[in-house]
Amino acid sequence: QKEVEQNSGPLSVPEGAIASLNCTYSDRGSQSFFWYRQYSGKSPELIMSIYSNGDKEDGRFTAQLNKASQYVSLLIRDSQPSDSATYLCAVNAGYQKVTFGIGTKLQVIP
Amino acid sequence: GAVVSQHPSRVICKSGTSVKIECRSLDFQATTMFWYRQFPKQSLMLMATSNEGSKATYEQGVEKDKFLINHASLTLSTLTVTSAHPEDSSFYICSAAISRDLSGNTIYFGEGSWLTVV
Repeated sequence: QKEVEQNSGPLSVPEGAIASLNCTYSDRGSQSFFWYRQYSGKSPELIMSIYSNGDKEDGRFTAQLNKASQYVSLLIRDSQPSDSATYLCAVNAGYQKVTFGIGTKLQVIP
Repeated sequence: GAVVSQHPSRVICKSGTSVKIECRSLDFQATTMFWYRQFPKQSLMLMATSNEGSKATYEQGVEKDKFLINHASLTLSTLTVTSAHPEDSSFYICSAAISRDLSGNTIYFGEGSWLTVV
């Protein structure tokens, strides 16, 4: 079992819709969770971090964490073509180690 | 916010030569930096973990004699690709860890370096 699992996609959503990206992790001791956005040919950019159960909202982005079920999700409201990118889920299971998922490719169709 | 700077952004070198990529943390001290490689349309692959003042820890399958990592200061780590070959052509990305608290680190990435070996 991979430590951090994501569906590679592509996930296609129409412009203006809500995009829902999901991630599961295996280490129950994980304490910090992150979402990165990576445009083609560019390096990943941190867009959200979440540390406690529940929802965390930042603009059009909402991160959701459920430690009991070991999943973390990212919702993008009012999706725009500029949101088309690969979204990486990352989990910090300890002081040094951060593990990344393979990323989900999102395509927002105009 | 935290900034990690990587240089050069693009480099072309001849087969058999060596090329050095620098990764700097600009407004914080990074005791730990990470080096990744990413081939087109593939996921990030962690190559090694660079610790200031000590030897790097390489992931399985990564040749430590080919990919030399030096982390001589708290703000600079370098990756040297020695005797480069065309198959080493890739996107190399560094990242640095900021300790948030005892719950762990947040990772910030450099801009990445495109290496083309001809």
